[in-house]
Amino acid sequence: EAGVAQSPRYKIIEKRQSVAFWCNPISGHATLYWYQQILGQGPKLLIQFQNNGVVDDSQLPKDRFSAERLKGVDSTLKIQPAKLEDSAVYLCASSLSLNEKLFFGSGTQLSVL
Amino acid sequence: DAKTTQPPSMDCAEGRAANLPCNHSTISGNEYVYWYRQIHSQGPQYIIHGLKNNETNEMASLIITEDRKSSTLILPHATLRDTAVYYCIVGSSGTYKYIFGTGTRLKVLA
Repeated sequence: EAGVAQSPRYKIIEKRQSVAFWCNPISGHATLYWYQQILGQGPKLLIQFQNNGVVDDSQLPKDRFSAERLKGVDSTLKIQPAKLEDSAVYLCASSLSLNEKLFFGSGTQLSVL
Repeated sequence: DAKTTQPPSMDCAEGRAANLPCNHSTISGNEYVYWYRQIHSQGPQYIIHGLKNNETNEMASLIITEDRKSSTLILPHATLRDTAVYYCIVGSSGTYKYIFGTGTRLKVLA
């Protein structure tokens, strides 16, 4: 069974630039999550989708971050413009449905210079 | 804020059992306890979960106290490959969002 796919694996940008991350969840998984993990901390939930609807985005900095899950399958997370403090690993996870175990991708490591 | 409390770090000798505690005193009746671990440079990996009863799978055992306010993850025979950060989390009722704390950094020593 294919796992959660994320790309790119690494990204280096300068502050005020834009960046986008892509996630393809496990086939058939209705729920998709984006987490931000700053070095030395646990993952922080940014946004949660159930199919193509947003369940929770209370921790998403909406002035610069946006996410979509068109057609309820793959998802894109965008940062525009990036700040130095956005340097982190961005993890995508999916689950069969709500309250099911999460499967994580390997993440995208973002460095903002 | 995370709904769980874990010790920041633990050491365990290779081949011995690793017992990782977690406090979740505010857990609701319908919330599950999940354990994940994260090996360096990888995404977290699911280990086990439970509601009330003790659970065991090929990776670990989960012991939940009768009042459900705490639990212990047991790795019966720790190996060097079990060195990782272990996260105990509870599912939030309603939206089922999983809030991670800072976890326990387990180091298995040769």
